[in-house]
Amino acid sequence: KQEVTQIPAALSVPEGENLVLNCSFTDSAIYNLQWFRQDPGKGLTSLLLIQSSQREQTSGRLNASLDKSSGRSTLYIAASQPGDSATYLCAVGGQGAQKLVFGQGTRLTINP
Amino acid sequence: NAGVTQTPKFRILKIGQSMTLQCTQDMNHNYMYWYRQDPGMGLKLIYYSVGAGITDKGEVPNGYNVSRSTTEDFPLRLELAAPSQTSVYFCASSREVFAEAFFGQGTRLTVV
Repeated sequence: KQEVTQIPAALSVPEGENLVLNCSFTDSAIYNLQWFRQDPGKGLTSLLLIQSSQREQTSGRLNASLDKSSGRSTLYIAASQPGDSATYLCAVGGQGAQKLVFGQGTRLTINP
Repeated sequence: NAGVTQTPKFRILKIGQSMTLQCTQDMNHNYMYWYRQDPGMGLKLIYYSVGAGITDKGEVPNGYNVSRSTTEDFPLRLELAAPSQTSVYFCASSREVFAEAFFGQGTRLTVV
């Protein structure tokens, strides 16, 4: 059974810093991995999707990497801003499974 | 550009009552999903559908039912509500099984 873990559960950093959020998964036989953002009381917004054959994806100040063999993904946020404050969730899609398995999320706070 | 729309946004139910959470998408996606999110936990899949007339159970289906009579709509039915069903419910859709997932804004349900 696939398990997804995100550490830390919460992170607080000053504005302008570069930061890394971590996601680990137990079964390396994944189809892809997605990073989502969730604002309080809102739904999830997809940020980046990495196919299993890819090593990384970039969108603006965000860069997500994937290392299937070690069961890890990272989300790098450059030059953080207060508007980046949200909960970030990763989810893996497993081969043969009709669903995404989510981590518990990292609550990120960017302090002005 | 509505995307995935869920109604209602909030609901309080008494134990034993029933209700239907509505979900509709306007992106002509074949795949639709229902998740629940409990505090501090990741999302757990309740039911999913791969197309009109086809549904299947996810990780936590007990106490719920779904139907998919059209591509656009995927309602979730709660029968005999229990306090354990207090949660935030999210509907999602995707074009293919592991394509980018689009989420609704969620329904916050409290069973008292």
